[in-house]
Amino acid sequence: GAGVSQTPSNKVTEKGKYVELRCDPISGHTALYWYRQSLGQGPEFLIYFQGTGAADDSGLPNDRFFAVRPEGSVSTLKIQRTERGDSAVYLCASSSTQWDTQYFGPGTRLTVL
Amino acid sequence: SQQGEEDPQALSIQEGENATMNCSYKTSINNLQWYRQNSGRGLVHLILIRSNEREKHSGRLRVTLDTSKKSSSLLITASRAADTASYFCATVFYNQGGKLIFGQGTELSVKP
Repeated sequence: GAGVSQTPSNKVTEKGKYVELRCDPISGHTALYWYRQSLGQGPEFLIYFQGTGAADDSGLPNDRFFAVRPEGSVSTLKIQRTERGDSAVYLCASSSTQWDTQYFGPGTRLTVL
Repeated sequence: SQQGEEDPQALSIQEGENATMNCSYKTSINNLQWYRQNSGRGLVHLILIRSNEREKHSGRLRVTLDTSKKSSSLLITASRAADTASYFCATVFYNQGGKLIFGQGTELSVKP
């Protein structure tokens, strides 16, 4: 079956703009995660959804970052007033339960000029 | 930080040799997952090992887990040039829901 998909694959924006990153998880997976990875580092957790609700948003760096999953499937990560420090690869993963294998999408490379 | 270190940070070997990467962590885990990443993009899942398991195999991969030492190892046998990639271990802690806590990774280079 289809894996996790993310769009766009690349996004270039200017400082101060608003961006939305989309994640389409594996069908039937109730758990969905967002991570951020900077060059040369391991991914860092941002937020975890169980169904439609955010079960853990402790990794969101500040209130410019927000994510939704209104129907328990597709999720959107929203970043307001982007800063150059937000430049990174944003990764989405899904799993059937919180204790099972997480399958990652190809990521969205965000560049803030 | 709950996540310890992976070592080595970089490893360079010849094709046909075995590669061993180590991962340590600091508190009790539910499971530990190993991933491979090429060119800084998507992570490919390799093996998940649960806290009550000691060893798992998948093809040329062998993962061990020692919960008393809070450490895990990934062994790649008979390495190939195509195994060149970054390898990450990631832990899921009992008191942290399902989120993965990643190490810094080991950069493996396999020379033909």
